[in-house]
Amino acid sequence: NAGVTQTPKFRILKIGQSMTLQCTQDMNHNYMYWYRQDPGMGLKLIYYSVGAGITDKGEVPNGYNVSRSTTEDFPLRLELAAPSQTSVYFCASSYVRSDAEAFFGQGTRLTVV
Amino acid sequence: DAKTTQPTSMDCAEGRAANLPCNHSTISGNEYVYWYRQIHSQGPQYIIHGLKNNETNEMASLIITEDRKSSTLILPHATLRDTAVYYCMGLIQGAQKLVFGQGTRLTINP
Repeated sequence: NAGVTQTPKFRILKIGQSMTLQCTQDMNHNYMYWYRQDPGMGLKLIYYSVGAGITDKGEVPNGYNVSRSTTEDFPLRLELAAPSQTSVYFCASSYVRSDAEAFFGQGTRLTVV
Repeated sequence: DAKTTQPTSMDCAEGRAANLPCNHSTISGNEYVYWYRQIHSQGPQYIIHGLKNNETNEMASLIITEDRKSSTLILPHATLRDTAVYYCMGLIQGAQKLVFGQGTRLTINP
């Protein structure tokens, strides 16, 4: 199994450009999450989804949009990139069960210049 | 979700047991205590979780106090590869909204 796959691994954007960070999982997990991690800081939850068609805001949702049309995919959209969005972005997924653990992707390093 | 408090950083000698504390005094009765770690800039990795009883797996042991207001993660024989940031959090089963705190930066010294 591939687990949680994020693309691209690296990207440089100019201010005002838009892009979509892709996240897909092949474990049939209900829950999916997007986090950002600024240098030297902890992870902040951007958006999460408890199943296809259902999404909810996390701690820092401003400037981002998400959709969950399938169980496998949870793309994160940046509409008007700003330097403050320079960060490493992690996607994660998990089951809803008593011993559920979350599995994380390897991250997307985004720089906005 | 319970607010958790962890020391900012800790050091441990290689081969010794690393004991990482976490305070979660506001934890509710149905919240599990979860531990994750993040090695360098990789994605976080699940370690262990528990509700009331102490738990052990191939990676670590989790000791939860009887009043559930604090817990300790134990890495029995720390290696250099255990150098990482360790996160403690409280989660309600079936309502997983994973929110990370600042964590403890554990450094294993040779």
